[in-house]
Amino acid sequence: DAGVIQSPRHEVTEMGQEVTLRCKPISGHNSLFWYRQTMMRGLELLIYFNNNVPIDDSGMPEDRFSAKMPNASFSTLKIQPSEPRDSAVYFCASSLGSRRTNTEAFFGQGTRLTVV
Amino acid sequence: KNQVEQSPQSLIILEGKNCTLQCNYTVSPFSNLRWYKQDTGRGPVSLTIMTFSENTKSNGRYTATLDADTKQSSLHITASQLSDSASYICVVSAGGDDKIIFGKGTRLHILP
Repeated sequence: DAGVIQSPRHEVTEMGQEVTLRCKPISGHNSLFWYRQTMMRGLELLIYFNNNVPIDDSGMPEDRFSAKMPNASFSTLKIQPSEPRDSAVYFCASSLGSRRTNTEAFFGQGTRLTVV
Repeated sequence: KNQVEQSPQSLIILEGKNCTLQCNYTVSPFSNLRWYKQDTGRGPVSLTIMTFSENTKSNGRYTATLDADTKQSSLHITASQLSDSASYICVVSAGGDDKIIFGKGTRLHILP
């Protein structure tokens, strides 16, 4: 398996533009997580899906952020409109089981987003 | 308030030396504690996962300990190698609401 695949690896966009980040989890995994990482705040969980259903979106910063998981093999994180303070590395991770189980989460390589 | 505090913030040691990274948490109720290694420009990779009943868990030269009474964990690296240079992140999962709380990480630099 190729692991968790994220695209693009790097994204530079102008303030106000829409940004869509994509994630393909590991085949067979039923939990998917979107994280954001900055120097100041470290890693933050944005949203958690289990069996394609959003279970916990309490980490989503504001209405400009939305995430979807239309099927077990694909998820998107959208920011509209983007702002400079959204600049960060966004990670997608997947695991087998639920967030409650003690299973390993596998992370993608991340998407480095720069909003200018 | 659920928090995870890691120390030191950064650490520099010579290749071949041992080191210990600390993680203190106030998460309650406790579900599990994980240590991740994150190389620069890469996603975190899981090193260990420990539940309440586990005191020690090893993964090669990495040994994690957990004291659930004092709510402390440590990650000991033996005979460090240049490839150990990375950030090490402690993550604690809470029972009940299943929240995941991240530490800010310890940045480890191994010098030749």
